[in-house]
Amino acid sequence: DGGITQSPKYLFRKEGQNVTLSCEQNLNHDAMYWYRQDPGQGLRLIYYSQIVNDFQKGDIAEGYSVSREKKESFPLTVTSAQKNPTAFYLCASSITGQGSYNEQFFGPGTRLTVL
Amino acid sequence: AQKITQTQPGMFVQEKEAVTLDCTYDTSDQSYGLFWYKQPSSGEMIFLIYQGSYDEQNATEGRYSLNFQKARKSANLVISASQLGDSAMYFCAMSVFSGSARQLTFGSGTQLTVLP
Repeated sequence: DGGITQSPKYLFRKEGQNVTLSCEQNLNHDAMYWYRQDPGQGLRLIYYSQIVNDFQKGDIAEGYSVSREKKESFPLTVTSAQKNPTAFYLCASSITGQGSYNEQFFGPGTRLTVL
Repeated sequence: AQKITQTQPGMFVQEKEAVTLDCTYDTSDQSYGLFWYKQPSSGEMIFLIYQGSYDEQNATEGRYSLNFQKARKSANLVISASQLGDSAMYFCAMSVFSGSARQLTFGSGTQLTVLP
């Protein structure tokens, strides 16, 4: 089945440690996205990538880094510079193009807790 | 700047009744899309319905319909014949061209509870 997988589902991190969240898709989508969701709030864009080896900052990129070495994969690293990293992280993918319809397909999410 | 506003943090509806979830948006773009997503307690985002800014007819998908009023910049979601499984968080989102790509801007969500 085509879809997006994220791992792990739950992640615990000690303060001061970097941690990497995995996101893989087999939908053959060019565009991939990372969002952060805090309790009771909407999604905020961290980074996005429209093509391999290229990515752009979203609204809240500080303290995060990404790479896009393969079309299928878009890992997110939460660095020690991120002051409040405890949140729910969602990865998404979509086709590219200028049309307004670019439904984003979401993965199941990773819940990160800093101890 | 693009903005989505959902003014109802929580809503209750009796099973089998219809419910309207409000969404207003603000953009200066002429070409944009409006989406509704459902987020159950498990966390995944489920796409429900889409409306393009140039679409003249309101979108419908099964029990979901989108009441699109362009002049008022509103895109309310109507769920007919509510079911217990409809209890979830609902997000309105807008797709606009920003920088080099189309991006989604999300509202803060409405928590819907369906009562038996």
